[in-house]
Amino acid sequence: GQQLNQSPQSMFIQEGEDVSMNCTSSSIFNTWLWYKQDPGEGPVLLIALYKAGELTSNGRLTAQFGITRKDSFLNISASIPSDVGIYFCAGPYAGGTSYGKLTFGQGTILTVHP
Amino acid sequence: DTEVTQTPKHLVMGMTNKKSLKCEQHMGHRAMYWYKQKAKKPPELMFVYSYEKLSINESVPSRFSPECPNSSLLNLHLHALQPEDSALYLCASSQGQATNYGYTFGSGTRLTVV
Repeated sequence: GQQLNQSPQSMFIQEGEDVSMNCTSSSIFNTWLWYKQDPGEGPVLLIALYKAGELTSNGRLTAQFGITRKDSFLNISASIPSDVGIYFCAGPYAGGTSYGKLTFGQGTILTVHP
Repeated sequence: DTEVTQTPKHLVMGMTNKKSLKCEQHMGHRAMYWYKQKAKKPPELMFVYSYEKLSINESVPSRFSPECPNSSLLNLHLHALQPEDSALYLCASSQGQATNYGYTFGSGTRLTVV
């Protein structure tokens, strides 16, 4: 099956710093999704990307769908303590199954020091 | 209403108990999902229901039994679980194919099997 390689696995940053994380795959994806999960909660969709080359922003978050369709990155600018959590990239399983299965990256654990 | 509601929030059960997890959404979504998530790991798909019919079973042990009574409700019946089944169980729903819309996740049920 498809694999998503997400990096870095964890980040420890100071409040106010910018953050960048990315996902790569050996297979082509048609959609990239970025989720954030707070402790004890379910993942929340941050940004969805549907076209190669697409650059989308949501407040301090910016994500891009790579031109090769095999990668995506998420940037967070001017981090704040509430950015703490686990960030997951996700993409649809390429098997074409409808109501399908998402492949998730392994997650990036973000810690922000005040 | 843009939420997926899961009950209970926490559940502790013995290995001989029978319990049920419940999930509800009123967004008119026609696909609903059960995921299992271990700490600091990505969610793993268990079941997919499409238009109230089971469409995907990811080779889940029979001690987990899903049920979709109507388009708004999804249950997961648990019986004779093992301690290794302790995890966060997430319900999700989507309007259409996940590739286009992403999922809305509930907050999860934290299950502990003793």
